[in-house]
Formats: sequence, structure tokens, C-alpha cells
Amino acid sequence: DIQMTQSPSTLSASVGDRVTITCRASQSISSWLAWYQQKPGKVPKLLIYKASNLESGVPSRFSGSGSGTEFTLTISSLQPDDFATYYCQQYNSYWTFGQGTKVEIK
Amino acid sequence: EVQLVESGGGLVQPGGSLKLSCAASGFTFSDSAMHWVRQASGKGLEWIGRIRSKGNNYATVYGVSVEGRFTISRDDSKNTVYLQINSLKTEDTAVYYCTSPAPGRVECSGDCYPFGYWGQGTLVTVSS
Repeated sequence: DIQMTQSPSTLSASVGDRVTITCRASQSISSWLAWYQQKPGKVPKLLIYKASNLESGVPSRFSGSGSGTEFTLTISSLQPDDFATYYCQQYNSYWTFGQGTKVEIK
Repeated sequence: EVQLVESGGGLVQPGGSLKLSCAASGFTFSDSAMHWVRQASGKGLEWIGRIRSKGNNYATVYGVSVEGRFTISRDDSKNTVYLQINSLKTEDTAVYYCTSPAPGRVECSGDCYPFGYWGQGTLVTVSS
């Protein structure tokens, strides 16, 4: 099965910062990668699909890139609403989530 | 409006069994694959498994870590998907979510997609 590894596990940042989260797959998954945002007590929300496509209604400060085994999620200017945990997910071969990256206030 | 409503969670002793339900509305359930995902308190998301539609022979597949004790089934007449868990272990304690493909994002002949709709989850606690 395909393993997904995110880094860092925790990220401390300030409002307005540019934030980048990395996700690595144990084997090539082409562009079959999604990013989710989850806030405490809430269900995950789809942000990005197929590595770089912004889901409807998601602010344009979120962007995704990558293919093969290495992917990134970038928040261009961190907003107060963005403090949350972010998960990558591969859907090339069944489905696997990364372990999550918590973005916390610095 | 799409709704997924899980039920059936609760406190169970180790070694016991439980059957979770997820009632769906607001979309053509019978045409949709359905999944279960779980999340232990303070931990990450773990994909449990998927069941496809009747047109895809109700095919099921499970994550490596849960295969053998978990069974997903569905009743299209009730718009409901089920998760049967046997031989429960303390490490099965988690919130269990049902989820479905993100609309318009399905590719690879129907088996490549992220998740779009989620239920609010049902808590399963395994403890003596």
C-alpha cells in the first residue's frame, strides 16, 4: 500500500505569513492527490484535488503543486481562519491520508 | 442538500461487535460509492474501506490495517451504508465517519476521487 508522509508535523506561523506543507508518497501517484483542512470538532474540508486544482469556494490564497511523489500545499498569506490541521490524501491506489500538519499561531 | 448521518456508536467491551449505519440523502445514493474513515482522538484520518454501487457489483476494498474484522455493506432501498466491526480492540476507539466522492471529481472509470461529503461521525469507545 502507498504511504503518505507530511512535513512538518506542526508549523508555527503568524497572520500574513507564507506557509508551505510538503507531502511525499512512497511511490508515484501521478497527480492523484488531495488536500483537506480540518478544524477542531469539524469534519475535513476538501481544498485541493488532482494536486493543483482549487475546489469550488476555496480562497485563492491556497494552492497546490507537485506530481509523482512530492507535493506541496501553499497558503500565500495566512489568515486567522486558516489555523487548522491539514491532511494530504492519495487516491491513485485506493486511499491513504498523510498524518497531518497542524498550523498553529506563533 | 446532501446529508450523511451516522449512528450506532457507543461503548463496547473488547472482543465485542458493533454495526454502524450511515443514512444518506440529497444525492443518488444507489449510484455512489461510499467510504468509511475513522479518527482517534487527537490523531489523524485513517481510511477504512469502500463499497461501490450495484453497477460495480458492490465491490468492497479495505485498508491493510483493518482488513479481516471490518465489513462494509449497503442497502440501496434505505439509502444506507453500514460498517460491521467484529472483535473490537481498544485501539478501535475513534470517531467513525462515512464519506462519499466529491461531485464532479470522479475519474479513472469511477475509482479515482477525493472525498467531498462527510457525516458528522459517530463515536465508538472500546473499553472494559
